Amino acid sequence: ETGVTQTPRHLVMGMTNKKSLKCEQHLGHNAMYWYKQSAKKPLELMFVYSLEERVENNSVPSRFSPECPNSSHLFLHLHTLQPEDSALYLCASSQGTGAAGFNQPQHFGDGTRLSIL
Amino acid sequence: TQLLEQSPQFLSIQEGENLTVYCNSSSVFSSLQWYRQEPGEGPVLLVTVVTGGEVKKLKRLTFQFGDARKDSSLHITAAQPGDTGLYLCAGAPPGGTSYGKLTFGQGTILTVHP
Repeated sequence: ETGVTQTPRHLVMGMTNKKSLKCEQHLGHNAMYWYKQSAKKPLELMFVYSLEERVENNSVPSRFSPECPNSSHLFLHLHTLQPEDSALYLCASSQGTGAAGFNQPQHFGDGTRLSIL
Repeated sequence: TQLLEQSPQFLSIQEGENLTVYCNSSSVFSSLQWYRQEPGEGPVLLVTVVTGGEVKKLKRLTFQFGDARKDSSLHITAAQPGDTGLYLCAGAPPGGTSYGKLTFGQGTILTVHP
């Protein structure tokens, strides 16, 4: 089993569709993240969950809705997306709690390549 | 807002050459992480540097954290085609939190030609 698994790997959807991205981690970590990776731009942190509670929301449009039902699973629900939302969406996890948590490395999945028609 | 400027953005070299990638900021970071990302895959951690002035070596890769913990460099000796990929630096903010919020540089795309 790989550490962080994302499905689907590729997704093409129309602007009026509703879809969900799934992330699962098998590392026993207690923090999970959604990032957006666009060409020529740094990775953009979208959401952070620590111990299943959302602790960070970097002004992400409401058409992106995260869900973290437990420490191993993370979802990103998508609806009425725009063409500029086409990007690689990466999920990551880390052992985030404790005083040294902020130094812990993040383990990434291989991403979902999203294309909006 | 903390920013990380990474340079160069693109690097195309021949096998056997040396190269250096830089990561600079006006902000202090508690640690600096370097990742490598190959096409179709997510970033993979190479190293974390924590102490100002720290130098870490990973085979032909040498990582250095600036004394003031505001900058870092990655030096590759005798580059190989297998080193090709996107190199990302990421800084962790000072102060404790319950999770690892990182600021990423925009990345350096390295191509090593045989």
